[in-house]
Amino acid sequence: QLQLQESGPGLVKPSETLSLSCIVSGGSISSSSYFWGWIRQSPGKGLEWIGSISYSGNTYYNPSLKTRVTISVDTSKNQFSLKVSSLTAADTAVYYCARLGPGSDPWGQGIQVTVSS
Amino acid sequence: EIVLTQSPGTLSLSPGERATLSCRASQSVSSSYLAWYQQKPGQAPRLLIYDASTRATGIPDRFSGSDSGTDFTLTISRLEPEDFAVYYCQQYGSSPLTFGGGTKVEIK
Repeated sequence: QLQLQESGPGLVKPSETLSLSCIVSGGSISSSSYFWGWIRQSPGKGLEWIGSISYSGNTYYNPSLKTRVTISVDTSKNQFSLKVSSLTAADTAVYYCARLGPGSDPWGQGIQVTVSS
Repeated sequence: EIVLTQSPGTLSLSPGERATLSCRASQSVSSSYLAWYQQKPGQAPRLLIYDASTRATGIPDRFSGSDSGTDFTLTISRLEPEDFAVYYCQQYGSSPLTFGGGTKVEIK
């Protein structure tokens, strides 16, 4: 059974860079059938797609975040990562990783990230 | 960007009743690439339906999806106690992927 698990800090300071990882278990990230993505959820903006990556490293980003976001993949570790720079309070959210195909499934449990000094 | 508008915002129903949730797209969704998710408090969204009408693995057949142009519908034929939750639609036919604002199905 495929499972995804996010890891990273729960509290980051404004203007800093957030780094999150998503470890994939129970299956290989090197599947040409799927993309792997990051989605966040905040009370103010609801669910927001951040971006996606293929196992070969092709990336797609939400234009609203594109200048601040980098997604990368490490097939040797079966994981992919997210970096968001120049953080503000508006980036406070629960961050999820997910496998993207026809629909997003499965999702990780999510990690609460708070941007505050 | 495709904007998805869900209605109603809240649906108050009793167990056993039928629930009809709507998701309207601001423009055509390519190949009916629309999904429905259920989310309960403190949990990640769970995929119910993809490609507008295909149930995901393990999803009971009381959940069904349909589409008509830019209008998509999720129907729960008979509400079970575990079905009271928030439901979201999502389109994945064009970038950026977008989600609707959600419909909360609450116990009347």
